[in-house]
Amino acid sequence: GAVVSQHPSRVICKSGTSVKIECRSLDFQATTMFWYRQFPKQSLMLMATSNEGSKATYEQGVEKDKFLINHASLTLSTLTVTSAHPEDSSFYICSARTGGGYGYTFGSGTRLTVV
Amino acid sequence: TQLLEQSPQFLSIQEGENLTVYCNSSSVFSSLQWYRQEPGEGPVLLVTVVTGGEVKKLKRLTFQFGDARKDSSLHITAAQPGDTGLYLCAPNSGNTPLVFGKGTRLSVIA
Repeated sequence: GAVVSQHPSRVICKSGTSVKIECRSLDFQATTMFWYRQFPKQSLMLMATSNEGSKATYEQGVEKDKFLINHASLTLSTLTVTSAHPEDSSFYICSARTGGGYGYTFGSGTRLTVV
Repeated sequence: TQLLEQSPQFLSIQEGENLTVYCNSSSVFSSLQWYRQEPGEGPVLLVTVVTGGEVKKLKRLTFQFGDARKDSSLHITAAQPGDTGLYLCAPNSGNTPLVFGKGTRLSVIA
């Protein structure tokens, strides 16, 4: 089946630095990818929709200048958390539509800890 | 945004017990999906229900879509520790991102 590869799985960074998370679609092209954030004991919250070759669409309350999304190819979308702060510590997950119908596949997530 | 209510929010049961979790809304859905997420992983699709009144079975899991396509339930028979996880429902129109309910966090104790 369709696989979305997400890296890194875990990252610890210092406050004020930036972190890049990558999501790659393996064996299929993903014109659209979605980015979610999940705090402990909570559900997934949609952050933004990433479209290949165009600007991402951000959900209300998500700072586009802080969470930079780039979808430069049909198989790669990246999320960069800029000037990270401890409150940005969370589990970030990407997802891609896997063709027609109802298919969505999720990456395995990135645990970000900002110290 | 279609508001989804999932209940219960938390559920802790003994191995071998049966349970039902619910996903309700005031909106009508063209389809709805159930996912299970284990700690430190992304969600994994369990089922998609499309037709009002539809019942789908996946081993010990039984999914039902309400006749009016506004609600759905997931029933687990003889729960096992491997069923532990966060169960999420989301409407799926096929063209928009999945927006999840708050989920039911299930813990099955051996």
